[in-house]
Amino acid sequence: NFMLTQPHSVSESPGKTVTISCTRSSGSIASNYVQWYQQRPGSAPTTVIYEDNQRPSGVPDRFSGSIDSSSNSASLTISGLKTEDEADYYCQSYDSSNVVFGGGTKLTVL
Amino acid sequence: QVQLQESGPGLVKPSETLSLTCTVSGGSISIYYWSWIRQPPGKGLEWIGYIYHSGSTNYNPSLKSRVTISLDKSKKQFSLKLSSVTAADTAVYYCARAGSYNLFDYWGQGTLVTVSS
Repeated sequence: NFMLTQPHSVSESPGKTVTISCTRSSGSIASNYVQWYQQRPGSAPTTVIYEDNQRPSGVPDRFSGSIDSSSNSASLTISGLKTEDEADYYCQSYDSSNVVFGGGTKLTVL
Repeated sequence: QVQLQESGPGLVKPSETLSLTCTVSGGSISIYYWSWIRQPPGKGLEWIGYIYHSGSTNYNPSLKSRVTISLDKSKKQFSLKLSSVTAADTAVYYCARAGSYNLFDYWGQGTLVTVSS
């Protein structure tokens, strides 16, 4: 089984850009798609990025995703930060027999 | 619009079996993977397992010995049973639909289950 490791928290000012990393412990990050979910307090998660870098309809283009095979990690980048982006963000991937979530990153926009 | 709704007891005694049901509305229960995910208070998400519309299942290895997920197509429901629960199983339990590449695209609102005597 593999793990996905995220920073516990990140903070940035409104209007700036922040990047959240998600590192896969074993197996190639490129072998299976990575999804990213946003979760606000008291609510279920919602998808902000799927299949590494695809945005669902309704998600602003300020959100983007990428993978880097050299570091075996995925990244979620949010540009032009808004206070409404303050939330927990989770990466998620899978292999042939398991689905794994990262531990989550609390984004503070201050 | 697909909607999922969890139902079941909010309090379960230690060593007993946790049972939850998820009712699907607004869409077909075929084709997709129907999943359970949980989140302990203040902690992250943990995938419990899923059942395919064919009835085949896949469970988190860390929970596999205690988990059973079943499907009732006629009622458009799927269910979770988690046996021998302890306080560590206290969590918000979500049901969710997984489509291509294990993307969880629809979620229930979640239900808090507390394990306590």
